[in-house]
Parts: sequence; C-alpha cells; structure tokens
Amino acid sequence: DTGVSQDPRHKITKRGQNVTFRCDPISEHNRLYWYRQTLGQGPEFLTYFQNEAQLEKSRLLSDRFSAERPKGSFSTLEIQRTEQGDSAMYLCASSLGGAGDNEQFFGPGTRLTVL
Amino acid sequence: GENVEQHPSTLSVQEGDSAVIKCTYSDSASNYFPWYKQELGKRPQLIIDIRSNVGEKKDQRIAVTLNKTAKHFSLHITETQPEDSAVYFCAASKPYSSASKIIFGSGTRLSIRP
Repeated sequence: DTGVSQDPRHKITKRGQNVTFRCDPISEHNRLYWYRQTLGQGPEFLTYFQNEAQLEKSRLLSDRFSAERPKGSFSTLEIQRTEQGDSAMYLCASSLGGAGDNEQFFGPGTRLTVL
Repeated sequence: GENVEQHPSTLSVQEGDSAVIKCTYSDSASNYFPWYKQELGKRPQLIIDIRSNVGEKKDQRIAVTLNKTAKHFSLHITETQPEDSAVYFCAASKPYSSASKIIFGSGTRLSIRP
C-alpha cells in the first residue's frame, strides 16, 4: 500500500496518560499535516510540516501536544496528560507541494478514546 | 479568522435527482477549493477540486462552481446513486503559501432514497 499510513488505528487510554501516534506519508511527499476530527464535524487543522520544519501550529494545539518530523519522512504526534476532551479521530495527510499539486491525501486515522 | 460555512447539514434526495451543497469562505486569499467525501468509518477522499482562476469544473456527474467575488462555491451531483450516500466536506486552502492547511466546512450528510 503506497498511501498514507497511521499507527495505531485505535488507542484507548486513561486520563492523564501520554500517547504517541505515528504517520507515514506517501514517500515523495514533502508536506505533512495533522488534523483532528470529532463526531459530526469536519477535520480541524492542528499542525503542518514542510520536510522537517514545523511551519504552522493551530491555537487548538495546547502545550500538551507536540509533533515532530525529525528526518522529513514519518511524523509523530504526542499528547501528554490526556484529557477526555482529547477523544477524537486524529488524521494525518500528506501532499507533494509545489506548483499545481495541491491534493492532500489522508491516512485512515487513529481513533483516540480517553476514559 | 479563517472560516468555511457549509449548508445544508443534511440532505436527502430521491435516487436519480440532483443534490446541491453550498459553501462560503471568509479568507479572500484562499485560492484552492477541494471537496472531500467521507464514508462512515473511512478517511476523507478528494472527489473534485477547483482553483481560483476557474469558475466551473465538471467530472462526469459532479460539478463545482466558484464565485470569487461573493466567496461562494458549490458542489452539484447529478443523477444521484445509492453509492453517493456519504458526508461531503467543502474546504478552502492557500496551497502556495506557507499556510497551506485546509479549512473544512462542517459537512453535509447526503442520503439517497431508493
């Protein structure tokens, strides 16, 4: 499968625990995005990388959230001290970037449930 | 701030009829407008997109229109089929800038009645 992959697909954790999600983008894509989607809503932007540089972070991304893309390939999203309000689907997307190629391809998502 | 409004939130049409979903955006610098279809439990998938230098684009039964002056854009699905049932999201973006994130609308749940 050459699409965007995410791991794990599901995560159940207790409030206060830390969790980490991984995203593997399409191999030649230099842009990588994280979004969060709650039931009945559209995806909301969290953060964006161009290669290894984190270029934009949403105000939704509190200091409990951190994302990295150390070698410009895969990315991780960590949530510290999880809260019940963090329960959502976390989607990763990637795009080629550059003139004329704007489509963002989404991964299957990681569904987080905080008990 | 940047915002995309979408309506209706739910839409039920008879199989074979047309469906129209309308959106407005707030950031006049937006120049790329993708539409995503999301089936239950699955990832959003791009079905059609339009750039700001084009007023209309068609792909088989799907068409999008864009009015940059009014900051309105719409999705039209003709001859609807049961497999068109899903949630549809409109979106706006500025992909050529460093702020290339997608701003999504809140979604339209489309149901096709047999």
